[in-house]
Amino acid sequence: DAGVIQSPRHEVTEMGQEVTLRCKPISGHDYLFWYRQTMMRGLELLIYFNNNVPIDDSGMPEDRFSAKMPNASFSTLKIQPSEPRDSAVYFCASSVTREQYFGPGTRLTVT
Amino acid sequence: KQEVTQIPAALSVPEGENLVLNCSFTDSAIYNLQWFRQDPGKGLTSLLLIQSSQREQTSGRLNASLDKSSGRSTLYIAASQPGDSATYLCAVNRDDKIIFGKGTRLHILP
Repeated sequence: DAGVIQSPRHEVTEMGQEVTLRCKPISGHDYLFWYRQTMMRGLELLIYFNNNVPIDDSGMPEDRFSAKMPNASFSTLKIQPSEPRDSAVYFCASSVTREQYFGPGTRLTVT
Repeated sequence: KQEVTQIPAALSVPEGENLVLNCSFTDSAIYNLQWFRQDPGKGLTSLLLIQSSQREQTSGRLNASLDKSSGRSTLYIAASQPGDSATYLCAVNRDDKIIFGKGTRLHILP
């Protein structure tokens, strides 16, 4: 299995632009998680899905953030409009037995 | 609210020594505890997962222990090598959510 796949690996955008991050979980995993990692705050859970349904989005910082999972093999995290303080590494992870497997992350820089 | 603490934040150890990394958590009602390794600029790699009913797990030179009653876990690394240099994070799982510590940045001195 290729593991969790994320794209793009790096994204540089200007403040106010829309950013879409993508994730393909490991086949057969029924949980998908989106995290954000910064030096100041560490790794924070943003939202997670079970069987494509959002279960807990309490970690989503603002209404500018939204996430979807239209099917079992694809999820997106969208930021609209983006701000410099959104600069971070965004990780996607999937699991089936509560052992999480992480993707390589997307490094987002908002200027 | 579950809080996970890892002390120290950074640690330097000469090659060949055995070492212990510490993790503490405030709420003992957990499903499992997982130790991860993160190399600079990379994602997280799962090292060991301990179910709440277990006391320890071993993989090669790594041994992780769990004491739920005291809210503590340790990761023991035997015969450390320069390739062990990385950040080690522990995470506790409850209600399908994982709460991470901020990690211990480990540097093995050749």
